[in-house]
Amino acid sequence: DSGVTQTPKHLITATGQRVTLRCSPRSGDLSVYWYQQSLDQGLQFLIQYYNGEERAKGNILERFSAQQFPDLHSELNLSSLELGDSALYFCASSVQETNYGYTFGSGTRLTVV
Amino acid sequence: AQKVTQAQTEISVVEKEDVTLDCVYETRDTTYYLFWYKQPPSGELVFLIRRNSFDEQNEISGRYSWNFQKSTSSFNFTITASQVVDSAVYFCALGSARQLTFGSGTQLTVLP
Repeated sequence: DSGVTQTPKHLITATGQRVTLRCSPRSGDLSVYWYQQSLDQGLQFLIQYYNGEERAKGNILERFSAQQFPDLHSELNLSSLELGDSALYFCASSVQETNYGYTFGSGTRLTVV
Repeated sequence: AQKVTQAQTEISVVEKEDVTLDCVYETRDTTYYLFWYKQPPSGELVFLIRRNSFDEQNEISGRYSWNFQKSTSSFNFTITASQVVDSAVYFCALGSARQLTFGSGTQLTVLP
């Protein structure tokens, strides 16, 4: 158990819908990172939050957004879903704002039909 | 821009054989980290090793060993006496301060 908790583990939804993925970081970690693993793009960095504030953005679509709450859990919101959004979404956390390496959760597998 | 290349898409070996997974990276940063992660069929990403750019010492951990050569921008991973349980996708990654850039992964299949 990595200590990073992601829910749900699996999600099936229809095109055009909106979903929310949740991540609880390891105890004491202030940074949360989101990654997407798709067949087309591989593993890609989406976004980082540190102590509630956005710190870095990667290849995140405008239809996607994230936030980190005061209790440090984070949510990734995906809207107007397309078939191509089907992927494994990973959350990771670290103690520091800038950190070379972190621990990943077990992922949420999203299937858009 | 950062880039990680894992040229081997798939490797298949017979149990007890040694296997080396190649990783070549590109970065302009002087300080960076290199990683290997394992992704078994269950899907989670399992951390294997982290190496910083100033430490070129090779490392051995049980059946696993890593060869970091800054001169050739390579960070190769060797599994000695492979086992069926080693079957997984292995990712090499390059870390900057805030994000990891992953290679496309190498699917390793160890046959009994």
